[in-house]
Amino acid sequence: KAGVTQTPRYLIKTRGQQVTLSCSPISGHRSVSWYQQTPGQGLQFLFEYFSETQRNKGNFPGRFSGRQFSNSRSEMNVSTLELGDSALYLCASSFLTVGYGYTFGSGTRLTVV
Amino acid sequence: EDKVVQSPLSLVVHEGDTVTLNCSYEVTNFRSLLWYKQEKKAPTFLFMLTSSGIEKKSGRLSSILDKKELFSILNITATQTGDSAVYLCAVEANRQGAQKLVFGQGTRLTINP
Repeated sequence: KAGVTQTPRYLIKTRGQQVTLSCSPISGHRSVSWYQQTPGQGLQFLFEYFSETQRNKGNFPGRFSGRQFSNSRSEMNVSTLELGDSALYLCASSFLTVGYGYTFGSGTRLTVV
Repeated sequence: EDKVVQSPLSLVVHEGDTVTLNCSYEVTNFRSLLWYKQEKKAPTFLFMLTSSGIEKKSGRLSSILDKKELFSILNITATQTGDSAVYLCAVEANRQGAQKLVFGQGTRLTINP
């Protein structure tokens, strides 16, 4: 079966711009979570969506937002990009909740210049 | 604040050696502890531990959880160059009815031939 698909794979943006990243979960998975990975901070939780509702949110500023569609696909948006937003953004999906059966996508590498 | 600490942060050994990676945690409403291997981008699932003292094994890898002392170890015996990767420990925590994974910084393991 197809894995978790994230698009685009790579992205270069300028400070002040906004960006939208996409994540298509494994078929049948209803929980989608987003993480930011940087060398200094490791993997940090952004938010989790389940059945189009945000169930949990990490400690990130309001510039980071997301949504989930009825087909469980999810998008995350970062507005007013800062240099510090440069990171690997990973999406993970599971059937019901985080942890069990959690599968990660290959991520989107965002570089802000 | 939920916290997961891994040690060592970096480890270099020779092929054939045995290594032990450590993970300690302090989280609210612990549900499970997971180990992942990250070689390039997508972390891949290794183990999920929920009960103390029960060793999980997969080939040369094994892991055990101690819920009293709040730590887990990941052992790799007869290491091979293909084991070189970042090993991530994550704890599933429940806060206000919502679950999330809290990750440690990771241990970068390098196996020299």
